[in-house]
Amino acid sequence: EPEVTQTPSHQVTQMGQEVILRCVPISNHLYFYWYRQILGQKVEFLVSFYNNEISEKSEIFDDQFSVERPDGSNFTLKIRSTKLEDSAMYFCASSGGTSYTGELFFGEGSRLTVL
Amino acid sequence: AQKITQTQPGMFVQEKEAVTLDCTYDTSDQSYGLFWYKQPSSGEMIFLIYQGSYDEQNATEGRYSLNFQKARKSANLVISASQLGDSAMYFCAMREPRSAGYALNFGKGTSLLVTP
Repeated sequence: EPEVTQTPSHQVTQMGQEVILRCVPISNHLYFYWYRQILGQKVEFLVSFYNNEISEKSEIFDDQFSVERPDGSNFTLKIRSTKLEDSAMYFCASSGGTSYTGELFFGEGSRLTVL
Repeated sequence: AQKITQTQPGMFVQEKEAVTLDCTYDTSDQSYGLFWYKQPSSGEMIFLIYQGSYDEQNATEGRYSLNFQKARKSANLVISASQLGDSAMYFCAMREPRSAGYALNFGKGTSLLVTP
């Protein structure tokens, strides 16, 4: 069964360092997403990506964040200068639909710990 | 403004009993989609069930059903015959067509504990 895969599963970094989280969405999907979940809180939307550009982003997704699809399979989230409050689980997701009916398939998440 | 409201932070249910997890939503769109996801302690997000705003029948997927009351803007998840493995966080989510990126907006979740 096709699945979304994320690496690393856990990353520990020092405040101010750059972090890149990687995702391989399901191959025939068209929409890609990053969400984050601070421990014990709800899942928050960061950004969606379609046709090689950002289609929507939330207020959380400020200039410290960027996304890229460097090749035909990977989808990355970069945090330029991490802050303590960036500590969270980051989920990548993909969707095959171009309407509101298709569910998002989530990866298992990358836990980021900023010290 | 809160789009998705889940008023039950935590619920208990005995094994083999049915349980209803509440979800209300706020939208001015006529077309939208409603989703439920399960998040076990291992952390992954598992899709459970989908309801479209124009679907006349309540969605069902195995032991999961969605009690959709459009006029009340509620989309409650019903789990029948609860199992110990159903213990998890449950998130209600909505997608609106006005969302350019078709993003899902999630509620705060309900923690369900199934007891023997």
